[in-house]
Amino acid sequence: GAVVSQHPSWVICKSGTSVKIECRSLDFQATTMFWYRQFPKQSLMLMATSNEGSKATYEQGVEKDKFLINHASLTLSTLTVTSAHPEDSSFYICSAIGTAANYGYTFGSGTRLTVV
Amino acid sequence: QQPVQSPQAVILREGEDAVINCSSSKALYSVHWYRQKHGEAPVFLMILLKGGEQKGHDKISASFNEKKQQSSLYLTASQLSYSGTYFCGTDRQAGTALIFGKGTTLSVSS
Repeated sequence: GAVVSQHPSWVICKSGTSVKIECRSLDFQATTMFWYRQFPKQSLMLMATSNEGSKATYEQGVEKDKFLINHASLTLSTLTVTSAHPEDSSFYICSAIGTAANYGYTFGSGTRLTVV
Repeated sequence: QQPVQSPQAVILREGEDAVINCSSSKALYSVHWYRQKHGEAPVFLMILLKGGEQKGHDKISASFNEKKQQSSLYLTASQLSYSGTYFCGTDRQAGTALIFGKGTTLSVSS
C-alpha cells in the first residue's frame, strides 16, 4: 500500500531556531500534500495544502512566513517552522494523495515538535 | 466546515457496543474514519463515498447517509484495543483536504 515517510519523529529545538520536517511518498507520486497540526487533546487542524511545483495555500490564521512549505517534487514535501517559539510546540502530520486510481489519503507518522 | 461528532466520549466494558456519529451541514463527497491512540498518528479505518454505502471489517463497520450527510461508525463487541480517539474526516470534493471533527474518545475496560 501507499506509504508516506515522515521525519523526524520528534524534535526538540531552542526558541528562535528553525526546524524542517520532511514527508516523502515512498511508492507513489504525491500530487497534493496536506499539512496538519494537532495540539494535545484536540483535533487535527489543517494548516496548508500544497501541490507539486506550486505555492502552498494556507488556511486562515496560519502564518505563511512562519510555516514554509516546499513541494518541489512529486515525492517530497517539507514544512519548515521558522523562528520557533514554545507555542509552536505541537504534533505535525502530513497527508498525501496521489495519482493512483484508488482514492485515499496516506498519512505520515507525525512529528512531535517541542520548543524550549 | 468542521463536521460535528457525537458523543464526545464513550466508556464501555469489553463486549459492549458503541456508535459514533459524524454529521455535516454541507454536502459531502466522502467520509473517512480514523482511530488515534495517545502519542501516535491516526490509523485509517475506512472510507465511505457519497452514494450512501456501508462498509465493515471484523467488528467495526460504518454507514453514510447521503440524504442526512451523516456517517455512523459502529463498534460491536468492543475489545480493549478499541480504546482511543476516533475522528471522522470529511471532504466536499475529491482531492481536497480532509476536515476533521473534534473526535470521540472511547475507553474500553475489562
